Amino acid sequence: SQQGEEDPQALSIQEGENATMNCSYKTSINNLQWYRQNSGRGLVHLILIRSNEREKHSGRLRVTLDTSKKSSSSLITASRAADTASYFCEASGGSYIPTFGRGTSLIVHP
Amino acid sequence: DVKVTQSSRYLVKRTGEKVFLECVQDMDHENMFWYRQDPGLGLRLIYFSYDVKMKEKGDIPEGYSVSREKKERFSLILESASTNQTSMYLCASYGLSGEGDEQFFGPGTRLTVL
Repeated sequence: SQQGEEDPQALSIQEGENATMNCSYKTSINNLQWYRQNSGRGLVHLILIRSNEREKHSGRLRVTLDTSKKSSSSLITASRAADTASYFCEASGGSYIPTFGRGTSLIVHP
Repeated sequence: DVKVTQSSRYLVKRTGEKVFLECVQDMDHENMFWYRQDPGLGLRLIYFSYDVKMKEKGDIPEGYSVSREKKERFSLILESASTNQTSMYLCASYGLSGEGDEQFFGPGTRLTVL
């Protein structure tokens, strides 16, 4: 799979604010997944969006995909302190070998 | 403290057999997943479900199907097992726990297809 590159590298917001994280990739994909990782814990799957989908929701998470720009955005609304974590995207094409970028480190201050 | 259970830890089947892998979670999670894990390939998503009677294909759905008749149970079905489906199968569920959103994995089922 192609490595996703997340942007920004770090994001610090107040509880209740929205958090937007972006992801870019290089080549054609079948789908793109967003994951979260709390400090010292494993990766947690958040959402998968396919190449023929433009937007998807799961709870407070809204993800968009623009294949013409080879980019995806992840929006967390009404953030909570428990949302503090690193967020990664992973774009999958043909053969699936999971690789991840450095991620976006999100800090939500209570 | 059981959270995600899988029906078998080890399973040996013959080519062409229909195989059922069961997964049950006791956390009232909406989201459930089936992965397979192979050396050098990491975790690959087969199917997932965000709600009862809902299913979506993951990266490698070919040769598999799923069933989600009840919220707590997500079954993976190999309609006609083949040797290239020999693998470790992991079930996971995701949702709110005591400390926020979290994903839990089951212990895995090591399936060998002869």
